[in-house]
Amino acid sequence: AQSVAQPEDQVNVAEGNPLTVKCTYSVSGNPYLFWYVQYPNRGLQFLLKYITGDNLVKGSYGFEAEFNKSQTSFHLKKPSALVSDSALYFCAVRPVEGSQGNLIFGKGTKLSVKP
Amino acid sequence: DVKVTQSSRYLVKRTGEKVFLECVQDMDHENMFWYRQDPGLGLRLIYFSYDVKMKEKGDIPEGYSVSREKKERFSLILESASTNQTSMYLCASTPRLAAYNEQFFGPGTRLTVL
Repeated sequence: AQSVAQPEDQVNVAEGNPLTVKCTYSVSGNPYLFWYVQYPNRGLQFLLKYITGDNLVKGSYGFEAEFNKSQTSFHLKKPSALVSDSALYFCAVRPVEGSQGNLIFGKGTKLSVKP
Repeated sequence: DVKVTQSSRYLVKRTGEKVFLECVQDMDHENMFWYRQDPGLGLRLIYFSYDVKMKEKGDIPEGYSVSREKKERFSLILESASTNQTSMYLCASTPRLAAYNEQFFGPGTRLTVL
């Protein structure tokens, strides 16, 4: 079965430190990969995506993500965390074949950035 | 600026009531989706639609139905609400032609069934 795993329910970092939110996937073929962020009581906002090409993709709010095909991972990173980055982060995968635009979501990782 | 709107941010209903959740997008997108979000479970797809009057079951369609009479509007219907349908409901849309396009989400409706 196709799936997305976010192995950490919560990630805690101090403001100014680098952050990583992990994501691995199990999908046949070469999928498209996405990260979304959700602030409290809000819908999901798109952060970035990997389609093809450079393994390091840059997105909104200073976030970036690194695609690693051999490890089937797509970890979200930021060099210097802000308190305002505290939110719920979702990794999502769309299999290229046989898709109507459906995404497979991970269960989410809560990021907490302390001053 | 692209926009997906949902009819209510918060809704409280009683067991057995018929509940309508409305979603409207102004981006002329073909595909629309309904998800429910529960802590520790992430987002689960209830139904999706890739064209007017078309619908497909997602992963958890039981207890729900949908309606897509116009391209911009996708409604989720709880025929007889139950307490286990208390959840956050999220609507999303995406254009059909490019599978690499991201989905655009509405703000969500937090439904409580008493």
